[in-house]
Amino acid sequence: DQQVKQNSPSLSVQEGRISILNCDYTNSMFDYFLWYKKYPAEGPTFLISISSIKDKNEDGRFTVFLNKSAKHLSLHIVPSQPGDSAVYFCAPTHNQGGSEKLVFGKGTKLTVNP
Amino acid sequence: DAGVIQSPRHEVTEMGQEVTLRCKPISGHNSLFWYRQTMMRGLELLIYFNNNVPIDDSGMPEDRFSAKMPNASFSTLKIQPSEPRDSAVYFCASSPTGDLADTQYFGPGTRLTVL
Repeated sequence: DQQVKQNSPSLSVQEGRISILNCDYTNSMFDYFLWYKKYPAEGPTFLISISSIKDKNEDGRFTVFLNKSAKHLSLHIVPSQPGDSAVYFCAPTHNQGGSEKLVFGKGTKLTVNP
Repeated sequence: DAGVIQSPRHEVTEMGQEVTLRCKPISGHNSLFWYRQTMMRGLELLIYFNNNVPIDDSGMPEDRFSAKMPNASFSTLKIQPSEPRDSAVYFCASSPTGDLADTQYFGPGTRLTVL
């Protein structure tokens, strides 16, 4: 049962344009959503997060939007830079049976072309 | 701080052999997580510890997998016996608190290949 879906395995954009990475989830219990970025041969690094009580969180060039009714969130990067080329993971978390779970999507590989 | 340290970075072994992956979390962090990344299943949480105590091991695939955290600065993930389907990248991560909403700091991973 795939609770978190990142339906676009890859995305390619031009430098300076906007990158939009999408994430859909099925579990309405998710109450906190994190995005991690991963470069090749490195571990993921935290990028940005949003609580379910908000619908938008902005940090510099990165903005995450949450639509709880649609169970959908998206990560916007503007303007995109070649250094943003990486795999981006959506990772919601929730409390299940007394312990919290962090569930990662399969990731979207972003390529920003100079 | 050097960050989360994992060893070895690469491991190639034959089916049936025992494999031990090691992790040193960031000093002062209370939680430690073991993940496995495969093409088919993405990044999966296997087990996590809080204050050296295993909190949730429901992600451990089967009894061939075991994890220990004898002290706050060291953890192992052992596979015995290993099988080709265990081939994956295994990540260790640590977090300052036990709150999963808190940022996790990942190590560089161990790429395991079981022949």
